[in-house]
Amino acid sequence: ETGVTQSPTHLIKTRGQQVTLRCSSQSGHNTVSWYQQALGQGPQFIFQYYREEENGRGNFPPRFSGLQFPNYSSELNVNALELDDSALYLCASSKLGLAGYTDTQYFGPGTRLTVL
Amino acid sequence: QQQVKQSPQSLIVQKGGISIINCAYENTAFDYFPWYQQFPGKGPALLIAIRPDVSEKKEGRFTISFNKSAKQFSLHIMDSQPGDSATYFCAVPNTGTASKLTFGTGTRLQVTL
Repeated sequence: ETGVTQSPTHLIKTRGQQVTLRCSSQSGHNTVSWYQQALGQGPQFIFQYYREEENGRGNFPPRFSGLQFPNYSSELNVNALELDDSALYLCASSKLGLAGYTDTQYFGPGTRLTVL
Repeated sequence: QQQVKQSPQSLIVQKGGISIINCAYENTAFDYFPWYQQFPGKGPALLIAIRPDVSEKKEGRFTISFNKSAKQFSLHIMDSQPGDSATYFCAVPNTGTASKLTFGTGTRLQVTL
């Protein structure tokens, strides 16, 4: 069984640029969630994708956007990067079943984004 | 927005001792309470989780205790080992599913020899 993978592992951008992060979900999972983890903090929920549509969003501005593809992989896009966007970006996959019951989330290793 | 308070912020325990981390939440319409373990440079990994139809769940050296009336749950690590040194996060679902989580602020555990 293949786990959650993310690319790239590290990324350095400058303020105002745009970035795309990628995630491949675990085999058999149909839901992908993205989290931002600032240094020394817990992960914060950005949004979730299910059946290629956004299925819930945390307190993040519209310049954070995403996609989910038919193979359940996902992208996180961040436009107009700000210094405070520097963080570890985590992708988690899970399986959303009938009646909204959701199985455990499994996290990838994350992408470390540094904005200069 | 769900609020989750985790304590202590850091913890130093001798090898063989018991580590106890606490988590308090606000809302009750949830069905799943996990603890995650995170090592430096890695993503969080599920350690143990409980559903509120039971008050305690044990897996090896790790135990979750759940107190629904107090809206609290805790993680106990028995016979703590140096390899347990990591940051631990509790999490509570934002909604009635397990897939949108609000995390606590984390507890950095150091197990000394």
